[in-house]
Amino acid sequence: RKEVEQDPGPFNVPEGATVAFNCTYSNSASQSFFWYRQDCRKEPKLLMSVYSSGNEDGRFTAQLNRASQYISLLIRDSKLSDSATYLCVVKLHSGNTPLVFGKGTRLSVIA
Amino acid sequence: ETGVTQSPTHLIKTRGQQVTLRCSSQSGHNTVSWYQQALGQGPQFIFQYYREEENGRGNFPPRFSGLQFPNYSSELNVNALELDDSALYLCASSLPSGATDTQYFGPGTRLTVL
Repeated sequence: RKEVEQDPGPFNVPEGATVAFNCTYSNSASQSFFWYRQDCRKEPKLLMSVYSSGNEDGRFTAQLNRASQYISLLIRDSKLSDSATYLCVVKLHSGNTPLVFGKGTRLSVIA
Repeated sequence: ETGVTQSPTHLIKTRGQQVTLRCSSQSGHNTVSWYQQALGQGPQFIFQYYREEENGRGNFPPRFSGLQFPNYSSELNVNALELDDSALYLCASSLPSGATDTQYFGPGTRLTVL
């Protein structure tokens, strides 16, 4: 079983749609969780950290369910500029430990 | 921009050759991590350097080696290149241990092995 698994995608949605990405992780001892965004042929960039209480940043909402080892990202009112690959990322411990990435889910927002 | 730079941006090598990739970390960051991202995959952890010492290694063979310098810049060396080494190589710098979880990525070096 892969350490971090994501929806295979791709997701093709119209502008204004709401889209949800799901992710599961295998190591129950994992401590830190993130969503990164990666544009084509560019480096990954941190979109948001994910906290147990859930957190929101504008149109983006992230949720964590530790019991189910499940992470989600919701994007409301999709924009063309949201088109990218979204990477679910987990760390075993806080501080300087490696990031474990999922394969990524590609989103295309269509006009 | 993250302040993390990498060189070169692109590189073409042939099987069996050796390659050195370079990374300059963001000011104040003493930890550099290297990742390999094959086409269609998420980045995979290669190793990490903290204060010039290797501080963790992923599932990569010994022909992948690295260095960190006193100014915290870093090199990734790959010997005896194989076709499967073709990938985007990313370095990420981070603040001192315990201060934050955030790793900041450089733009990457795209390596093609023919």
